Parts: sequence; C-alpha cells; structure tokens
Amino acid sequence: QVQLQESGPGLVKPSQTLSLTCTVSGGSISRGGHYWSWIRQHPGKGLEWIGYIFYSGSTYYNPSLQSRVTISVDTSKNQFSLKVTSVTAADTAVYYCAKNEGRRWFDPWGQGTLVTVSS
Amino acid sequence: QSALTQPASVSGSPGQSIAISCTGTSSDVGGYNYVSWYQQHPGKAPKLMIYDVSNRPSGVSNRFSGSKSGNTASLTISGLQAEDEAAYYCSSYSSSSTDVVFGGGTKLTVL
Repeated sequence: QVQLQESGPGLVKPSQTLSLTCTVSGGSISRGGHYWSWIRQHPGKGLEWIGYIFYSGSTYYNPSLQSRVTISVDTSKNQFSLKVTSVTAADTAVYYCAKNEGRRWFDPWGQGTLVTVSS
Repeated sequence: QSALTQPASVSGSPGQSIAISCTGTSSDVGGYNYVSWYQQHPGKAPKLMIYDVSNRPSGVSNRFSGSKSGNTASLTISGLQAEDEAAYYCSSYSSSSTDVVFGGGTKLTVL
C-alpha cells in the first residue's frame, strides 16, 4: 500500500522559495506508469493542480505557475520535491502530494501540509 | 474560476439520492473517459471515489456511482448517510494547455 508524506517549512517569507518534499513508502517511485504530483488548496477554496513528474524525469506544469515551479525526483531516496520561487501571500495554501495513475486519477494523497507566506 | 463547473452546494435527506454535475468541454470531460471524483471532509486530504468516469476503487461503497453524457459528468450518491456530508471535486485529463483540470467543488449537506 503506497503512502505519501509531505515535509517542509510551514512558514516562508515573501519573495523567497517554497520547498517541499514528498516521501513515498510502500512502493518504488521508479515503477512505471505513475506521475508524482503536487496539488494545492488555498484556505477555504478548491483544488489547484500544480504539476507532476514521471519517474523518468519528464515534467508537466500548470501554465499559470510554470514560470515559478520546479518538480524534481530523487529515486535513490524515493522522494520527489516541489520548489516555488518568488512566493507571495497568494501562495499560502495546503500543499498535497499525490500519485497519479497514467495522467487519469490521483490516489493516494498525502495528508497535506499548510504553508503560510508571511514576513 | 475553475475549468470544470460544479454546483456550489447540494443537499439531501438520509436515504435519498443526489447527483452532482461536472461540466467541461470537448477538450476534457467530453473528449476522454478520464473523469475522477474526490471526497474531502474538513481538514482531511481528498479521497478518490470514482475513476475513469464510472469505476469505483476497492473499498468505496457501491452507493457511489459515476456517469458521463457529452461534456457533463455526474456523481450519484444513493442512500445518503450522514457520513457522506463533505465536499466533492471532479477532475479530468485535459488536452488543452494544462494536463489536469478540477471543478470548483460541491458542498454536500445531509439534512
């Protein structure tokens, strides 16, 4: 049973870089067919897809965030990561990592981690 | 504004059936059978309830079903129970500039 767990700072200053890591357990991140994903949810709002990475390294990003987002994978640690540069208060959200099956559905999800952008 | 359109809220009494719609375009919902539905209780992570329009993952109650007609997908919950009260989100693969689109979410209230 694959499980995902987000980790990283809960508070980031404006203009700095938000960095989060998702650790995958119970299965190999290198197994084919899966896209390792980041999704965020602003307080009281809906879900916003940030992007995902195939185990080979191919990445797909939401065009609205593409200029500031990088997703990378570390197969040796069974982890994948998210970096968002030049953050503002609008980046305050709960960030989820999730496994995506063949660009079709997300399952399972991590528990989510709240990141607040504030000085 | 979300790419997929869902009603903001629906309600029903215990035992009743409700349906939540999810309207997109021919570039997403209408063009592919890759619609999925998620249930989210307050403070919790979303949970997959339906994938590929109408398939239920193992462990999900058969009271949940999905369908699609044209550019609109629907999630139906039969025999409403108090525990079904949650937010529900649809999602679809999209051939437009973004791979994934979500609906704005529907708050289900069990009266």
